[in-house]
Amino acid sequence: EPEVTQTPSHQVTQMGQEVILRCVPISNHLYFYWYRQILGQKVEFLVSFYNNEISEKSEIFDDQFSVERPDGSNFTLKIRSTKLEDSAMYFCASREGGYTEAFFGQGTRLTVV
Amino acid sequence: DQQVKQNSPSLSVQEGRISILNCDYTNSMFDYFLWYKKYPAEGPTFLISISSIKDKNEDGRFTVFLNKSAKHLSLHIVPSQPGDSAVYFCAASALNDYKLSFGAGTTVTVRA
Repeated sequence: EPEVTQTPSHQVTQMGQEVILRCVPISNHLYFYWYRQILGQKVEFLVSFYNNEISEKSEIFDDQFSVERPDGSNFTLKIRSTKLEDSAMYFCASREGGYTEAFFGQGTRLTVV
Repeated sequence: DQQVKQNSPSLSVQEGRISILNCDYTNSMFDYFLWYKKYPAEGPTFLISISSIKDKNEDGRFTVFLNKSAKHLSLHIVPSQPGDSAVYFCAASALNDYKLSFGAGTTVTVRA
């Protein structure tokens, strides 16, 4: 069964450093997402990506964040100048179309120290 | 973003009984609704969905009911099994809305 793959599973970084979280969405999917879940809190939408551009982003997704789909298969989330409050599980998801379910990866646990 | 609300943070049910999880939404443009299950340190896993043209969708032990006039949906799990112990998220989207909006989740504990 096709699945969304995320690497790394766990990333520890120093405050102020840049991190890149990587995702390989399901190949025939057209919509791509990043969500995050701070420990004990709800799953929060960060950004959606369609047709090689950001289609929607939340208030959380400020200039510190960027996404890219560099080679038609990988989908990355870059976080510049990380802060302690960026520590969370980051989930990548992909979706075939509008009335279909989104498939989530296993997540990357980002710990900023 | 409080467009999807799950007002019960937790639910405890005995094995073999029915689990009923509730979800309310405020955005009348939502027309596709989903339930996800999540174990700790894993990504959400899709369970079942329903579009706004239906009021019920069933898949094995899982049934989702949609009441559009009340902007309310529920997930019934029957019979509940120990492996159902997890966090359940309700999510919704609109046709022209690229994202899924999630509720805060309900933690279900199935007691043996």
